[in-house]
Amino acid sequence: GESVGLHLPTLSVQEGDNSIINCAYSNSASDYFIWYKQESGKGPQFIIDIRSNMDKRQGQRVTVLLNKTVKHLSLQIAATQPGDSAVYFCAETSVWGGSEKLVFGKGTKLTVNP
Amino acid sequence: DSGVTQTPKHLITATGQRVTLRCSPRSGDLSVYWYQQSLDQGLQFLIQYYNGEERAKGNILERFSAQQFPDLHSELNLSSLELGDSALYFCASSEGVDGETQYFGPGTRLLVL
Repeated sequence: GESVGLHLPTLSVQEGDNSIINCAYSNSASDYFIWYKQESGKGPQFIIDIRSNMDKRQGQRVTVLLNKTVKHLSLQIAATQPGDSAVYFCAETSVWGGSEKLVFGKGTKLTVNP
Repeated sequence: DSGVTQTPKHLITATGQRVTLRCSPRSGDLSVYWYQQSLDQGLQFLIQYYNGEERAKGNILERFSAQQFPDLHSELNLSSLELGDSALYFCASSEGVDGETQYFGPGTRLLVL
């Protein structure tokens, strides 16, 4: 079936470096993608989203890139800080019984070393 | 703080029992979603309600049911609990019905012994 997945389960970076978290999706009909951050013991927190008519969207220290040709999504975090340590999920829209729903990948754990 | 609240925060119960999880969406949000998060399955969509009506079903077991009340809060009922039901249960809400950002609550951690 169609699914969303993440290339790497873990990523370790030094404080101040830039981080890149990747996501592959298989549903070519998906038109909306979201990145969520989940800190230990907390619920997922919205970071940034992008629609399929865009290639790039920037937020505060975060950038999402969408490559529809290869069905690839990435999250770039600039000047990574210890507070960025968390599990990051990408999610795509998928149709469930005629209604659009978000389907989440398994997540990438980002560890920022001081 | 997302504005979505969930109670209780932790729940410990025994196999065969029934529990009810409660969720209050963000003010103004009409959709409520329930998710189950376990170590081996990640975030799994269970069910969505929109303005009191069931909107979509995902991987929800027949032992589980949910409803959304006129004040838009929602309850997830889990019955005949099994060890494998131990997980984090998240509620999320969004303003509309489809393809929108969902805001998550802090979750309820269920442990079935």
